[in-house]
Amino acid sequence: GDSVTQMEGPVTLSEEAFLTINCTYTATGYPSLFWYVQYPGEGLQLLLKATKADDKGSNKGFEATYRKETTSFHLEKGSVQVSDSAVYFCALRDSGGYQKVTFGTGTKLQVIP
Amino acid sequence: DTAVSQTPKYLVTQMGNDKSIKCEQNLGHDTMYWYKQDSKKFLKIMFSYNNKELIINETVPNRFSPKSPDKAHLNLHINSLELGDSAVYFCASSHPATYEQYFGPGTRLTVT
Repeated sequence: GDSVTQMEGPVTLSEEAFLTINCTYTATGYPSLFWYVQYPGEGLQLLLKATKADDKGSNKGFEATYRKETTSFHLEKGSVQVSDSAVYFCALRDSGGYQKVTFGTGTKLQVIP
Repeated sequence: DTAVSQTPKYLVTQMGNDKSIKCEQNLGHDTMYWYKQDSKKFLKIMFSYNNKELIINETVPNRFSPKSPDKAHLNLHINSLELGDSAVYFCASSHPATYEQYFGPGTRLTVT
């Protein structure tokens, strides 16, 4: 079945550091890929998405590129802020009929001033 | 004008009790979900309904029973609560074309 593997956290960075959170996936078809962010005490919210190979999703300074050849969708940001501290989830939606989304285990990011 | 709302936000109860969590979405989506998030933030899908019809039913104890009276509402009833049911439960709905998920604020269930 479909699966998503994320790097384990927590990840601790200083403000203005470069961020990479690795995500790889296994899927039988052509999935859509997502990054969701969960701030403390809140539900998940969509950060960015990509629906086909070589697409780049971007939002709020975050970027991720859909790499079919390496089955990856790594999240990057050039300069993190304290307000980016949250848990980040990589996810995929399979290309089958049901709208099932498979989530990774989440990576906690802590940014210190 | 909250998109996905859940009630209650917190629920503290004793083992053996029965409780319900309600969810409503005003986005006009046809598909809704229940997820369980454990203390390590692992998110597990439990159920999904499309237009009031159950389409995803993961391996969940049958003490959990979802009910969808209409496509804007998806409730979760839990019988005979156990300690291991303590978690945060999220309701979500999804856009039919983009498959983006819209999550509610969560219900933190604590079973003592």
